[in-house]
Amino acid sequence: SQQGEEDPQALSIQEGENATMNCSYKTSINNLQWYRQNSGRGLVHLILIRSNEREKHSGRLRVTLDTSKKSSSLLITASRAADTASYFCATDANSNYQLIWGAGTKLIIKP
Amino acid sequence: EAQVTQNPRYLITVTGKKLTVTCSQNMNHEYMSWYRQDPGLGLRQIYYSMNVEVTDKGDVPEGYKVSRKEKRNFPLILESPSPNQTSLYFCASSGTGELFFGEGSRLTVL
Repeated sequence: SQQGEEDPQALSIQEGENATMNCSYKTSINNLQWYRQNSGRGLVHLILIRSNEREKHSGRLRVTLDTSKKSSSLLITASRAADTASYFCATDANSNYQLIWGAGTKLIIKP
Repeated sequence: EAQVTQNPRYLITVTGKKLTVTCSQNMNHEYMSWYRQDPGLGLRQIYYSMNVEVTDKGDVPEGYKVSRKEKRNFPLILESPSPNQTSLYFCASSGTGELFFGEGSRLTVL
C-alpha cells in the first residue's frame, strides 16, 4: 500500500539552483528514508531520519521531518546535472523492513 | 564490493512459461525483499524474508513464489507468468534498515 506522497511529481530547474521535494505520510513512523533512482536503475539510499530528529544533513542534502504534520522535505543544494533522477521517500509504518513507498518526484536538472 | 546481484537483467518470455529471477547479496544481510515497479504505482513489495527459511507476503504476492534456502540467495519464481506481470523487478537486502538494491530485472511477458 502507498502511504508516502511526494510533491511535486516532477521538477525541472537550472543547474546550480536548489531543489526541494516533499513527502507526506499518513500514520506514525519510526523513521523515514529518502532514495534516489537514476532512470531504470536500482534505488540508492540517501539518508534516514528518525522520528525524534528534526533535521539531518549529508553533503548537499538536507532532510527535515515534521512529525506533527506527517511530512518530510529533501533539499538538494547547488544542483548538478548528475542529480537528475527520481527521488522516493519510504516510511516504516508497518515495520522496520516493510517500507511504504511514495510514487516519487522526478527531478530534471537543466545545464 | 558490497552488492546485490540480479539475473537476468532483461527477459522477454511468453505466457505460462515458468521463469526464475535470481538474487544474491554478499553483505550477510538477514533481510531480503522483492519489489516490482510500475509507472505511476511506485514500488510495491512482493515478498520478503527476515532470515533463512522465513518468508512472508508483501502487498502483491499473487502469481509469485520465493524461497530462502541460503542467506545470500532469494530467488523470485513466476510459475505461470501472465502479461500483467510485465514489470521492472528489484531485489533488495538490508542489515540495519537501509535497503541495498540490485540493478533491476526488466521482464516482459507476451
